[in-house]
Amino acid sequence: AQSVTQLDSHVSVSEGTPVLLRCNYSSSYSPSLFWYVQHPNKGLQLLLKYTSAATLVKGINGFEAEFKKSETSFHLTKPSAHMSDAAEYFCVVSDHTGRRALTFGSGTRLQVQP
Amino acid sequence: DGGITQSPKYLFRKEGQNVTLSCEQNLNHDAMYWYRQDPGQGLRLIYYSQIVNDFQKGDIAEGYSVSREKKESFPLTVTSAQKNPTAFYLCASTGGTEAFFGQGTRLTVV
Repeated sequence: AQSVTQLDSHVSVSEGTPVLLRCNYSSSYSPSLFWYVQHPNKGLQLLLKYTSAATLVKGINGFEAEFKKSETSFHLTKPSAHMSDAAEYFCVVSDHTGRRALTFGSGTRLQVQP
Repeated sequence: DGGITQSPKYLFRKEGQNVTLSCEQNLNHDAMYWYRQDPGQGLRLIYYSQIVNDFQKGDIAEGYSVSREKKESFPLTVTSAQKNPTAFYLCASTGGTEAFFGQGTRLTVV
């Protein structure tokens, strides 16, 4: 079985300050991990993915995440927040069996203050 | 451009009525999925299909039905048995590990 825990349901930062969205996972297999972003009433867009290559993964819009197997974590970071980053972020795990596709965390809403 | 198209964007259902949400993909993906999204609950898997003419129940399949007659299409029917259908519905497809999502359908019971 696999599961994902996003440790913060809501994060608020000021524009220009760093962003940290935390994610812990549990998987019986060597997982693939993803971060998706969702703007209001929109579908999900892939930010970045880890698939057993480099543990530090760079994504779009300046986001990156580090896979830490010992801590079972895959935290999302960005050095400097922009107003357009305000959205819902989902950490996702895939166990590669294909049967259940993706398991989603409950989401973190990022608010960016001017 | 390749992608997933969901329609309609907004849908209103009367009590006791069945409605069907459309999902079409031109990515040549074998696997397709339906998720339900409620505020504060992330995405929950309703049904998935890994191949034409085959599909499996997800975590919250009660009150829903699907078909997979063509590779490109995976429609979801919300039946009158679904007591709380008001939600945002997302369709996805995968050709490997990454999933591609449609823009969603917001269903409201009136």
